[in-house]
Amino acid sequence: AAGVIQSPRHLIKEKRETATLKCYPIPRHDTVYWYQQGPGQDPQFLISFYEKMQSDKGSIPDRFSAQQFSDYHSELNMSSLELGDSALYFCASSQTGGLENIQYFGAGTRLSVL
Amino acid sequence: DQQVKQNSPSLSVQEGRISILNCDYTNSMFDYFLWYKKYPAEGPTFLISISSIKDKNEDGRFTVFLNKSAKHLSLHIVPSQPGDSAVYFCAASSYSGGAQKLVFGQGTRLTINP
Repeated sequence: AAGVIQSPRHLIKEKRETATLKCYPIPRHDTVYWYQQGPGQDPQFLISFYEKMQSDKGSIPDRFSAQQFSDYHSELNMSSLELGDSALYFCASSQTGGLENIQYFGAGTRLSVL
Repeated sequence: DQQVKQNSPSLSVQEGRISILNCDYTNSMFDYFLWYKKYPAEGPTFLISISSIKDKNEDGRFTVFLNKSAKHLSLHIVPSQPGDSAVYFCAASSYSGGAQKLVFGQGTRLTINP
């Protein structure tokens, strides 16, 4: 079965650079979520999109922005990168309408800011 | 403010015995609770969930119990197998802005000893 695809898997950037992370949800899933997991921490919700509109926002810095495109893939854009942005970034997708709205996660993008 | 807590960072269980992972929460508005399993370098994998209106859900070797009055849930794995060794995250779901946002606990590293 198709899963959530994230690219790239690994990304190395320097301070003040920009990064773009991509997420391709499971086919027919209409909601995408982004999470950030720092070293030794639990995943923290950043932002979500439902039918290409932002549906909720968590602890996402103003330097970050995201969008969901017409094909439902999503991109997380990160500017003026800081050392503290080094983390695992997970994308998840779900299909609304189900009772549980279970979120299925991609393998993540590991971002290292040097 | 940690709304979902897993107070045991690690747990070691012998193969064949029962593993019990615990989770506490503070927000009574959560409507679904989910357990995810995570291997290194992979995204969280959905295991089992329970609605806030139920007190038990079973799926094969995995059973989740919910005690709403105590704001406590637990995951039972029986019998435990070496492949169950992973980090287990408890997550709580609340509906916000058209999407279900997940709040994660800190995770419990389960080790199954042969």
